[in-house]
Amino acid sequence: DTAVSQTPKYLVTQMGNDKSIKCEQNLGHDTMYWYKQDSKKFLKIMFSYNNKELIINETVPNRFSPKSPDKAHLNLHINSLELGDSAVYFCASSQGGDGNEQFFGPGTRLTVL
Amino acid sequence: AQTVTQSQPEMSVQEAETVTLSCTYDTSENNYYLFWYKQPPSRQMILVIRQEAYKQQNATENRFSVNFQKAAKSFSLKISDSQLGDTAMYFCACPPGAGSYQLTFGKGTKLSVIP
Repeated sequence: DTAVSQTPKYLVTQMGNDKSIKCEQNLGHDTMYWYKQDSKKFLKIMFSYNNKELIINETVPNRFSPKSPDKAHLNLHINSLELGDSAVYFCASSQGGDGNEQFFGPGTRLTVL
Repeated sequence: AQTVTQSQPEMSVQEAETVTLSCTYDTSENNYYLFWYKQPPSRQMILVIRQEAYKQQNATENRFSVNFQKAAKSFSLKISDSQLGDTAMYFCACPPGAGSYQLTFGKGTKLSVIP
């Protein structure tokens, strides 16, 4: 029944490692997003895909690479993890943009040691 | 650039009382949407209410209502009959431009409902 799911919900790893976060939505939406929420709770867009095409690519280090195998999935791969990457990462989806509600996943808390 | 400002980092309210959270934004668009999202301690982001800028009528969802002042670019959220379950971070958000797919969020207001 979960509309937007993310795995894992918690991720603890060492500096320098590579990790992936997976996101799936079963709402039939055509647009998916990755947001980063820092320790001060500030939410910032990272990427967005519409029908598997990258449409938003904010100023994010090249170590972050999104991949959308199909409209229902948007994964986030992070290379060479750094301490500053520790945050909560949210996946979201919507049908189109411009005023349509974005449905958020439960978030993945990434801790880099 | 689109900015969204929430000037109250923290607020508290007694259970059953009414509280208003402030939000101002900056846009050059004429038609746009505004949102309030709630993030309880569970960290799940939940849409509380949505306002369409071309509608003069303020949006209402049960105990939640907005006071939308388009000329002043103000979009405050009023919570009536506050309940303990309303304790959460509240984020105001809007798209940065017409047809935009992303949301620009304010820094949030942490609301505590006191029994």
